[in-house]
Amino acid sequence: AQSVTQLDSHVSVSEGTPVLLRCNYSSSYSPSLFWYVQHPNKGLQLLLKYTSAATLVKGINGFEAEFKKSETSFHLTKPSAHMSDAAEYFCVVSGGYQKVTFGTGTKLQVIP
Amino acid sequence: EAGVAQSPRYKIIEKRQSVAFWCNPISGHATLYWYQQILGQGPKLLIQFQNNGVVDDSQLPKDRFSAERLKGVDSTLKIQPAKLEDSAVYLCASSLVGLAGALRETQYFGPGTRLLVL
Repeated sequence: AQSVTQLDSHVSVSEGTPVLLRCNYSSSYSPSLFWYVQHPNKGLQLLLKYTSAATLVKGINGFEAEFKKSETSFHLTKPSAHMSDAAEYFCVVSGGYQKVTFGTGTKLQVIP
Repeated sequence: EAGVAQSPRYKIIEKRQSVAFWCNPISGHATLYWYQQILGQGPKLLIQFQNNGVVDDSQLPKDRFSAERLKGVDSTLKIQPAKLEDSAVYLCASSLVGLAGALRETQYFGPGTRLLVL
């Protein structure tokens, strides 16, 4: 079985402060892991992905994530939040038999 | 490069009616996905095509939902008859690589079709 858990449904940060969005996964296979962002009334866009290469993955707009197999985690971070980062973020795991599973999402609020 | 196109963008129907959604993936993309995103939830994969063959339809409610991908390009998703709980955004996505690499490939999403069943 395969699953992904996003530990926070809502995260609120002040502009200029660090962002941490948490994701834990479960997979019987060596998974690929992704973070997608969904801005209001816009389509989903890939932020970054891990596919068994470097465990620290850098994405667009200053985001990065670290794959930690021992902790089955793939947390998303950004050193300094910007107003334009306000959106919903989805952690995605893809494992055996081409199955794709989305997390329930974390809504990020950035306070000016 | 043109993105994934979907139509219609919005649809309102009454329960027990039928509805169809259309998706045109990015040119050359072998894999096509349909997702259902209910308000407040993450997208749920309904069906995945590899060219015109079905790879995974384990979460497709086959008593009322059907999907096809003619000639391995465009795809349609149909609901017949619709229920109130089908109200959701239906997302189409595509990715470039074929079967062996699909797990690790970026998916490109369309804008979605917002369905309201009354």
